[in-house]
Amino acid sequence: DAGVTQSPTHLIKTRGQQVTLRCSPKSGHDTVSWYQQALGQGPQFIFQYYEEEERQRGNFPDRFSGHQFPNYSSELNVNALLLGDSALYLCASSFGRDYEKLFFGSGTQLSVL
Amino acid sequence: LAKTTQPISMDSYEGQEVNITCSHNNIATNDYITWYQQFPSQGPRFIIQGYKTKVTNEVASLFIPADRKSSTLSLPRVSLSDTAVYYCLVGDGLGTGGFKTIFGAGTRLFVKA
Repeated sequence: DAGVTQSPTHLIKTRGQQVTLRCSPKSGHDTVSWYQQALGQGPQFIFQYYEEEERQRGNFPDRFSGHQFPNYSSELNVNALLLGDSALYLCASSFGRDYEKLFFGSGTQLSVL
Repeated sequence: LAKTTQPISMDSYEGQEVNITCSHNNIATNDYITWYQQFPSQGPRFIIQGYKTKVTNEVASLFIPADRKSSTLSLPRVSLSDTAVYYCLVGDGLGTGGFKTIFGAGTRLFVKA
């Protein structure tokens, strides 16, 4: 049973560019949450997708957007990249209302130069 | 969502029992207490969750006093591989907290030989 998979594992972009990160949830899970984790800090909640809609959003600008597909996989898009967007981006999946028992992927390390 | 306070860091030696206490004075009636473990360059891993009294699984025990204003994660006989960051989270298991799981700064546990 595959866990949460994220791609790519590492990515280097320059300021102003756009990036798309991908996530496949754990089998049987229908909810995907995205987090940003800066070095030395705890993960910061970006948003959560359920039934192909954004159900909840954290304190992130509109440059951060996402999508969930019918197979429950998800994408995180970040436009107009800033240096401060450099971080580990984590995807977590859960099932239904059991959203506090999150299963995380290993993340995508994004470096903005 | 209830705010949590936990020590920034702790040191221990192999074979010792480690107890990490988390304070959550504003915990609500419906809130559950959840602990995660995170190794460098990996996503957090769910350890244990509880509502009251004591919960034990193959990895850890969670002690919650009657007033639920704090909780203690107990790791028996730690090894070097238990060196990680441990996060205490308090959230609404019934969904009225907004479906988002919020992480704090965590406790950095360093196990020495």
